[in-house]
Amino acid sequence: DTAVSQTPKYLVTQMGNDKSIKCEQNLGHDTMYWYKQDSKKFLKIMFSYNNKELIINETVPNRFSPKSPDKAHLNLHINSLELGDSAVYFCASSQVRGLGTDTQYFGPGTRLTVL
Amino acid sequence: AQSVAQPEDQVNVAEGNPLTVKCTYSVSGNPYLFWYVQYPNRGLQFLLKYITGDNLVKGSYGFEAEFNKSQTSFHLKKPSALVSDSALYFCAVTPTAGNKLTFGGGTRVLVKP
Repeated sequence: DTAVSQTPKYLVTQMGNDKSIKCEQNLGHDTMYWYKQDSKKFLKIMFSYNNKELIINETVPNRFSPKSPDKAHLNLHINSLELGDSAVYFCASSQVRGLGTDTQYFGPGTRLTVL
Repeated sequence: AQSVAQPEDQVNVAEGNPLTVKCTYSVSGNPYLFWYVQYPNRGLQFLLKYITGDNLVKGSYGFEAEFNKSQTSFHLKKPSALVSDSALYFCAVTPTAGNKLTFGGGTRVLVKP
């Protein structure tokens, strides 16, 4: 009965590779997000999609491309991985678009290590 | 631009003692405030939120938080801490318009038996 799930949980790869992280939510929510947590545990939003439409796009290198095939899925594709991309990436979802009162529910995270 | 400050990197407390984790915020308009907890190697779990109304908000696992508009604070409290409360706690804010959640830097809580 997992609400927000991510795969893989751990990802170790070489610099320059391309990798994807998948996220799925079974909460029936309309909005999904990607966050990055760095080595100092600082959390920052990267992207937000509402019903497959991009609504938040923070200052993220264009090597990062989110893809939402349907409103229950939001995948993160990263091209030409760099050492600085090493972090924990969290997916989240919330019920309603653009509503600051809405609680965001987080997945378990994907720890990406770039060697 | 909105921001959240958690002035303490770590809080140490003995089991059974009261626990307070501090948070102050800056946002245009009325704030919507959240507390999340992150256990080791886990995702963030929602604890509680303040939207409007009563300044004292009660949440999961016996936690509560008090919204203080004049001090722009939203401190998290628990009357009697448990060893299992040891975790990383994040305060976050969204503005009145939009759902961009901005997090504080986190406070590590260590509850000793």
